[in-house]
Amino acid sequence: SQQGEEDPQALSIQEGENATMNCSYKTSINNLQWYRQNSGRGLVHLILIRSNEREKHSGRLRVTLDTSKKSSSLLITASRAADTASYFCATDSGGSNYKLTFGKGTLLTVNP
Amino acid sequence: NAGVTQTPKFQVLKTGQSMTLQCAQDMNHNSMYWYRQDPGMGLRLIYYSASEGTTDKGEVPNGYNVSRLNKREFSLRLESAAPSQTSVYFCASGLAAAMGTQYFGPGTRLTVL
Repeated sequence: SQQGEEDPQALSIQEGENATMNCSYKTSINNLQWYRQNSGRGLVHLILIRSNEREKHSGRLRVTLDTSKKSSSLLITASRAADTASYFCATDSGGSNYKLTFGKGTLLTVNP
Repeated sequence: NAGVTQTPKFQVLKTGQSMTLQCAQDMNHNSMYWYRQDPGMGLRLIYYSASEGTTDKGEVPNGYNVSRLNKREFSLRLESAAPSQTSVYFCASGLAAAMGTQYFGPGTRLTVL
């Protein structure tokens, strides 16, 4: 079953605007990751946030995690047309095998 | 470094045929994973291998078998393909030291008629 649920399912913005995507999950987690998938390609890891962290930055990406609400958000600032892709959150519940459970994704379209 | 490679890229099968999807990684990762992705869905784990010599079922293992041939290679076999197995299949690898970060192959698009 899907652990994470992204919201919104689809988001369309103009270049230069910020994009915010949200992820909610059901059970306790060890860490949460965000991945990007360009159309027809494999997933690419963007950022990982541990359960004891509240915020993390990487370039134009900002991720927050609220374990009390079982939710995370991904903010992409100053978006570019090249950011057009699907974005997935993935959680793992601990253990050495690091099995990930993915959400259904948010399709982000950045219009030039 | 090629990363994670998958073959074939595309495949069309008839119901009942069998085939093996190949996956290899050159990053010396211990863990390897097979996922399927259906339209409008995220990835669902089929099987995984935490280390060479071990394999375990994921969320949707029915109709599939796997082999961890060595540290580099992890294959997925469909013994008798069904239309419900029409999907895009992704292989991934990961390292425990990277806290579960996974690296994905380009995918195999499989159609079962």
